[in-house]
Amino acid sequence: AQSVTQLDSQVPVFEEAPVELRCNYSSSVSVYLFWYVQYPNQGLQLLLKYLSGSTLVKGINGFEAEFNKSQTSFHLRKPSVHISDTAEYFCAVSDIGRGYQKVTFGTGTKLQVIP
Amino acid sequence: DVKVTQSSRYLVKRTGEKVFLECVQDMDHENMFWYRQDPGLGLRLIYFSYDVKMKEKGDIPEGYSVSREKKERFSLILESASTNQTSMYLCASSSTRGQPQHFGDGTRLSIL
Repeated sequence: AQSVTQLDSQVPVFEEAPVELRCNYSSSVSVYLFWYVQYPNQGLQLLLKYLSGSTLVKGINGFEAEFNKSQTSFHLRKPSVHISDTAEYFCAVSDIGRGYQKVTFGTGTKLQVIP
Repeated sequence: DVKVTQSSRYLVKRTGEKVFLECVQDMDHENMFWYRQDPGLGLRLIYFSYDVKMKEKGDIPEGYSVSREKKERFSLILESASTNQTSMYLCASSSTRGQPQHFGDGTRLSIL
């Protein structure tokens, strides 16, 4: 079984400050990892994904995440946030293996960018 | 560009009604999913389908059923709606394992 923990339900940050949204996962096998963003009244959009290779993954809108296998973490970072980054962010994990792809989502972190 | 379309953005139904939520994708994806999203609980998988006429239960299938008669369409059915099914419902699709899911804009369903 796999699980995802997003440690912070809400993160307030001032505009142009850096931000880190934390994500830890648990799985007995190797995994794929994803970060999605949800703007109000919309579905989820993919920010970035880690499938294999370099542990530092760059995504859209200036976000990046680092896969740390020893700490089972996949934290999301942005060096300077903008008002338009205000949204809810979801970390997700999918195990690598045969059969059907099941994705487990975290409970989400609401990022509030303060002007 | 990838497109997942959910038939209604907002829906209000009464307790006991049979409710149909429709989802269509235009990407020829094999996999389709139905989630419900509730504050503080994230997304929870109700059902998914990996092929036409095939379905698998997710984590919370009770009170729901699904239908996939064509590859592009995946329907969620509330057999007898109850107030605890008031929620945001999200449909998603994906191609092969490891590829990200593409989401519709969601249906906010209220059961009165």
